[in-house]
Amino acid sequence: AQTVTQSQPEMSVQEAETVTLSCTYDTSESDYYLFWYKQPPSRQMILVIRQEAYKQQNATENRFSVNFQKAAKSFSLKISDSQLGDAAMYFCAYRWEGAQKLVFGQGTRLTINP
Amino acid sequence: DSGVTQTPKHLITATGQRVTLRCSPRSGDLSVYWYQQSLDQGLQFLIQYYNGEERAKGNILERFSAQQFPDLHSELNLSSLELGDSALYFCASSVGRGYQPQHFGDGTRLSIL
Repeated sequence: AQTVTQSQPEMSVQEAETVTLSCTYDTSESDYYLFWYKQPPSRQMILVIRQEAYKQQNATENRFSVNFQKAAKSFSLKISDSQLGDAAMYFCAYRWEGAQKLVFGQGTRLTINP
Repeated sequence: DSGVTQTPKHLITATGQRVTLRCSPRSGDLSVYWYQQSLDQGLQFLIQYYNGEERAKGNILERFSAQQFPDLHSELNLSSLELGDSALYFCASSVGRGYQPQHFGDGTRLSIL
């Protein structure tokens, strides 16, 4: 069964600093997709960034980037120049090519200290 | 704004009751997904519909059912409610194939008293 593990229940960072959130997953599939979603206190689920497993190049979206290590089954999220608005729960999610459902990790609560 | 609309935003009811949650997908999306977010279980996939047909089932209880209508909106019906059904219920939509991500609605907060 596919599983996603986020080993850091909580993280904190100073405003303007860089923080990295960890995510590992377990799968026997070769074609799959990985996502990071952000859930602020307003409870919306907002897509932050996505990565296709067949692409070696790490995805980047403005201040957000990933470190995708396929062999290690690791998919970490780096947030540069942290802003107060980045404070939220962050969920790592996996979906394999043959299915549409997302499998989520337990989440990491990120606090930004001013 | 994700373009996915869920109603109502909040629902408070009692044990044993039945409720219906509604979801309108983004324009052009054929697939609708329902997820349950609770403190103890995290985010769990319940069920997926694609263009009116059930496509995949997850950890959905027999007391729960869903359907997708010809106009592509979907409803999740929860019956014989128990205290443990209190959760945030999300609807998401996508084009339903390939790499396209799922976009989530704002959720319905269900509280069972």
